[in-house]
Amino acid sequence: GQSLEQPSEVTAVEGAIVQINCTYQTSGFYGLSWYQQHDGGAPTFLSYNALDGLEETGRFSSFLSRSDSYGYLLLQELQMKDSASYFCAVTGGGNKLTFGTGTQLKVEL
Amino acid sequence: DSGVTQTPKHLITATGQRVTLRCSPRSGDLSVYWYQQSLDQGLQFLIQYYNGEERAKGNILERFSAQQFPDLHSELNLSSLELGDSALYFCASSVSFSGPGANVLTFGAGSRLTVL
Repeated sequence: GQSLEQPSEVTAVEGAIVQINCTYQTSGFYGLSWYQQHDGGAPTFLSYNALDGLEETGRFSSFLSRSDSYGYLLLQELQMKDSASYFCAVTGGGNKLTFGTGTQLKVEL
Repeated sequence: DSGVTQTPKHLITATGQRVTLRCSPRSGDLSVYWYQQSLDQGLQFLIQYYNGEERAKGNILERFSAQQFPDLHSELNLSSLELGDSALYFCASSVSFSGPGANVLTFGAGSRLTVL
């Protein structure tokens, strides 16, 4: 089976940098994805890592270490609109995409 | 608008009833996924279809069933509804079921089901 762990809640101030960690256990691994979900909204795709290293997309970066079964999402220059839930998701055996329970990010002034 | 269309947006029904949720994937996407999200919970994978065939199954109850039709739209049928089935049901689509394209899911706005 597949299981993921991420913090339930993170709080940071506007303009700061925040890192959301994700550890996973999976039988078979193809990659780690990150999705953002605002309250009442649909999840939207942020990034995907299949290989070790850092992928940067604007203010957001995502990192993967396959040997450590670990990844993180880094959000820089935080804005109020970044307040949302962030889900890591692993593509494992059978190409099944399993989501973590989500991290609620609160950005304060 | 993500391009994935789900209907109905809201649905209120009673225990023991049966409902059907409908999803039209984004144009060009062949794979459809169904997820359940209960209050303050993560996204629970239910089932995945690719080009009309079932590809992967998650924690889908026997009271639930789904299918993908030749025109690629999908329906999720929920029967003998219980209070605990109240949740947001998301449909998502992707270009393929394997490879990098499989990991970029486009979600619909969801169908909020309330069972009274």
